[in-house]
Amino acid sequence: TQLLEQSPQFLSIQEGENLTVYCNSSSVFSSLQWYRQEPGEGPVLLVTVVTGGEVKKLKRLTFQFGDARKDSSLHITAAQPGDTGLYLCADGSGNTGKLIFGQGTTLQVKP
Amino acid sequence: NAGVTQTPKFQVLKTGQSMTLQCAQDMNHNSMYWYRQDPGMGLRLIYYSASEGTTDKGEVPNGYNVSRLNKREFSLRLESAAPSQTSVYFCASSRRSLGYGYTFGSGTRLTVV
Repeated sequence: TQLLEQSPQFLSIQEGENLTVYCNSSSVFSSLQWYRQEPGEGPVLLVTVVTGGEVKKLKRLTFQFGDARKDSSLHITAAQPGDTGLYLCADGSGNTGKLIFGQGTTLQVKP
Repeated sequence: NAGVTQTPKFQVLKTGQSMTLQCAQDMNHNSMYWYRQDPGMGLRLIYYSASEGTTDKGEVPNGYNVSRLNKREFSLRLESAAPSQTSVYFCASSRRSLGYGYTFGSGTRLTVV
């Protein structure tokens, strides 16, 4: 069974700081997705990465997929209070579209 | 666009009671899913429906049943609620292709006392 490990589990930073969170898999990713979940809401898809070495940018967020497709990172530049939330990585599995989720990184950005 | 709609948003049940959580999507997605989210456990798949007319067990199916009523609707039933089923339940849908992410509902917070 594939396991996704995210680190760190919790992160509390000041507005304007940079940060990186990580997602590592026990096996090769099929299709890695990153989600952000705000309190009281469901997760919202941020990005999907498929190709090893792929880098995608979404405003201040940079997503990187490892060359061996077993790890990924999310870097946030100049964090803002609106970035606060739970960041989840997930991997697609087979043609049913089932996703396996990591446990998430809880990010708090203080004004 | 409504996306994925879940009802109710909150529910308190007594041990042994039954209830059905409703989920509907308006995006013409083929696949639908039910997850539960517990502190420190992440999102765990209960049941899924790859397409209309099919349902399959996920990681934690015990104590639950599902019905894929039509392409739009996928319900989750607790026949005899237990305190261990206290959780936040999320319904999601997808176009059933790699690279297409899930669209989640806003969740149902269930407490079993």
